[in-house]
Amino acid sequence: GENVEQHPSTLSVQEGDSAVIKCTYSDSASNYFPWYKQELGKRPQLIIDIRSNVGEKKDQRIAVTLNKTAKHFSLHITETQPEDSAVYFCAASPNAGGTSYGKLTFGQGTILTVHP
Amino acid sequence: DGGITQSPKYLFRKEGQNVTLSCEQNLNHDAMYWYRQDPGQGLRLIYYSQIVNDFQKGDIAEGYSVSREKKESFPLTVTSAQKNPTAFYLCASSGPGPPPNYGYTFGSGTRLTVV
Repeated sequence: GENVEQHPSTLSVQEGDSAVIKCTYSDSASNYFPWYKQELGKRPQLIIDIRSNVGEKKDQRIAVTLNKTAKHFSLHITETQPEDSAVYFCAASPNAGGTSYGKLTFGQGTILTVHP
Repeated sequence: DGGITQSPKYLFRKEGQNVTLSCEQNLNHDAMYWYRQDPGQGLRLIYYSQIVNDFQKGDIAEGYSVSREKKESFPLTVTSAQKNPTAFYLCASSGPGPPPNYGYTFGSGTRLTVV
């Protein structure tokens, strides 16, 4: 089955700096890679996702890059703010699209702390 | 509540007791999932169901059971065979087709504690 490794486990940055979280996956059939943000005691919320036919996707201060050959993808947050502090999870899934429901395999999570 | 509701928010289980966690969705999603979250271990898949009356084991199914009698509902029972059930349990659902339908919608979670 799929195995997703996420690094670092904790990340501390100053407000305004950039933050990068990296994930690797093992199953070459995976073609959908979402990122979730989870604030303390709350449910994970989808913040950005990317499919394997795209190398990079941006949404304001957040971007995700994908290298299918190397089987890794990364989350980039620029101009970090204290409200970005949360746990971030990457995930991978095969068979995105069509009538399939590929189950997500999650990374271990990264605790991001943004200091004012 | 985001279309998917979990109850209760907090649950306490005594040794040797079975408890059932509720998950209901009104998103008309076919697929539903149960994940367990422990500190430093991310989300681990317990069971999932892609259609009514059918479900599959995930990576850590031992000590858990599920049913899927209705499209809207996917309850999880934590049995006495689960030796370390204290955790945060998350239910999710997803639809077919490309994202955003494909992505998960999560419930707000149930925190289970053994007393």
